[in-house]
Amino acid sequence: RKEVEQDPGPFNVPEGATVAFNCTYSNSASQSFFWYRQDCRKEPKLLMSVYSSGNEDGRFTAQLNRASQYISLLIRDSKLSDSATYLCAVNVFGDRGSTLGRLYFGRGTQLTVWP
Amino acid sequence: ETGVTQTPRHLVMGMTNKKSLKCEQHLGHNAMYWYKQSAKKPLELMFVYNFKEQTENNSVPSRFSPECPNSSHLFLHLHTLQPEDSALYLCASSLTGGSNEKLFFGSGTQLSVL
Repeated sequence: RKEVEQDPGPFNVPEGATVAFNCTYSNSASQSFFWYRQDCRKEPKLLMSVYSSGNEDGRFTAQLNRASQYISLLIRDSKLSDSATYLCAVNVFGDRGSTLGRLYFGRGTQLTVWP
Repeated sequence: ETGVTQTPRHLVMGMTNKKSLKCEQHLGHNAMYWYKQSAKKPLELMFVYNFKEQTENNSVPSRFSPECPNSSHLFLHLHTLQPEDSALYLCASSLTGGSNEKLFFGSGTQLSVL
């Protein structure tokens, strides 16, 4: 069973569109949640953390639903520069109650924004 | 520039070669990680070091051997690899390795095993 599941896409949207990605996780003890962005042939970079109450950063909104065990990312007014792969990541405590986290990633959702 | 530097950027090696990947972080972090990213697969956690001590070995074959001499440097020693080991190997660091930690990645080493 995969820890984190994501729809790989691809999503192809025009500039200005609103697009949403979802990600589900299997471990109900998961503690923290993130969205990373990865450009082609580059390393993943943190886009935003996801908080229980939901959080917004400019055109990006992240939501967490603990009951259904999913997180989402909404991008409004898409720009060409938003084209990338978006990875969700879920942190789970280590074994034996360790406070050290293990970050599990989804496969990523590919987004292409066209003019 | 994320403050995490990996070398080499690209590596081609035969199955009988021995090579090492190097990672250095300039962020003052205490936890360092090796991840493997294969095509169409999620990032796979390989090893975790926290304050130079290995805290995680995610069932990685012994042909991959990590070394962490201090909190700023991390190596991945490779020997007798298989073609299926070809992938992007990413180093990352975080402040203390706790559950709310944000990871900062290096640019990765694209490894091809012939």
